[in-house]
Amino acid sequence: DGGITQSPKYLFRKEGQNVTLSCEQNLNHDAMYWYRQDPGQGLRLIYYSQIVNDFQKGDIAEGYSVSREKKESFPLTVTSAQKNPTAFYLCASSIGRTDTQYFGPGTRLTVL
Amino acid sequence: AQTVTQSQPEMSVQEAETVTLSCTYDTSESDYYLFWYKQPPSRQMILVIRQEAYKQQNATENRFSVNFQKAAKSFSLKISDSQLGDAAMYFCAYRSVPFNQAGTALIFGKGTTLSVSS
Repeated sequence: DGGITQSPKYLFRKEGQNVTLSCEQNLNHDAMYWYRQDPGQGLRLIYYSQIVNDFQKGDIAEGYSVSREKKESFPLTVTSAQKNPTAFYLCASSIGRTDTQYFGPGTRLTVL
Repeated sequence: AQTVTQSQPEMSVQEAETVTLSCTYDTSESDYYLFWYKQPPSRQMILVIRQEAYKQQNATENRFSVNFQKAAKSFSLKISDSQLGDAAMYFCAYRSVPFNQAGTALIFGKGTTLSVSS
């Protein structure tokens, strides 16, 4: 089955630690995105990538980093510089730059 | 910068009835896309319907339809014959049409929580 997978589903982090959230897709989509969702808020863009080895910052990129070494994978690292990382993180992909985005199931990150 | 506003934090409807969710947006662009996404308790974001701004005809997907008023910058979602499974948070989203290879991402409203009662 084609789709977008995110792991883990739940993640707990101690303050000062870096953690990496996984996002994989087997849809052969060129573009991939990371969004953050806070309670009572819409989704906000962290980073996006239109092609391999290229990515752009979104509205709230501070404290986050990404890589795009393979078309299928777009991991997100939440660094210790992110002051309030507790949130729900959603990964999405689209065939190209103008196409509909489809979402993975999300990762819930909690800072202890 | 573009913005999306959903003015109804919560809405409720009875089974088999019709409900309309409101969305307005602000942009200076003439070409763009608009979307409605559904987020049930599982939190998976599911595409409900998509509208291209250059199309005058309103998009329809089964029980879901939109009323797209480009001049008024309004994009409402109508759900007909509501079902218990329609209970979810609904997000309106905007996406520019890029002029180059850089591409664009979605801009979301804050969502409307829809409850459905039997």
